[in-house]
Amino acid sequence: EAQVTQNPRYLITVTGKKLTVTCSQNMNHEYMSWYRQDPGLGLRQIYYSMNVEVTDKGDVPEGYKVSRKEKRNFPLILESPSPNQTSLYFCASRSASSFYNEQFFGPGTRLTVL
Amino acid sequence: SQKIEQNSEALNIQEGKTATLTCNYTNYSPAYLQWYRQDPGRGPVFLLLIRENEKEKRKERLKVTFDTTLKQSLFHITASQPADSATYLCAPILTGNQFYFGTGTSLTVIP
Repeated sequence: EAQVTQNPRYLITVTGKKLTVTCSQNMNHEYMSWYRQDPGLGLRQIYYSMNVEVTDKGDVPEGYKVSRKEKRNFPLILESPSPNQTSLYFCASRSASSFYNEQFFGPGTRLTVL
Repeated sequence: SQKIEQNSEALNIQEGKTATLTCNYTNYSPAYLQWYRQDPGRGPVFLLLIRENEKEKRKERLKVTFDTTLKQSLFHITASQPADSATYLCAPILTGNQFYFGTGTSLTVIP
């Protein structure tokens, strides 16, 4: 089944404790992206990657890191999480050759930073 | 910076009626616009795309319009059903890399 998976789905952590949220897709998509979703602010793009070893900042990159060493994986790293990073995070992927440029989203990771 | 506004209030309609959702954008000229559906606790799912040179697009009971002069897109669901209840997000796209989404409109279809 074609899908985007994220792990963990739920995470409660404390300020300053480094964490990684994994994202993997099995559709051979070139493009991958991370979003956070907050009430009243909607979906905001954190980082995106056009292909392996190519990443770029989205709208709200501060406090986050990403890497794209393999085409299928795009982990999101919070080196020193803070409470304002409490949010619902989504990973997405899309094919560079898709006519509709549609993104396929993962199920989400709900992160709470205490 | 880009600004995208969708119906600020939740929309409640009776089953069988047509739901109309609006998406207004300012400060940029998107090449195309996408609509997504999001159910509670799940990721958005792509529904439709309309390009700047298209006035209208249809898919089954869905219809999208795109007015580049008004900087507005309208999303219609005809013969609405309770299963259409969800949040709908619009995303006017400038390039295929950076995506900006509206905050979404929550639609409830009452049986």
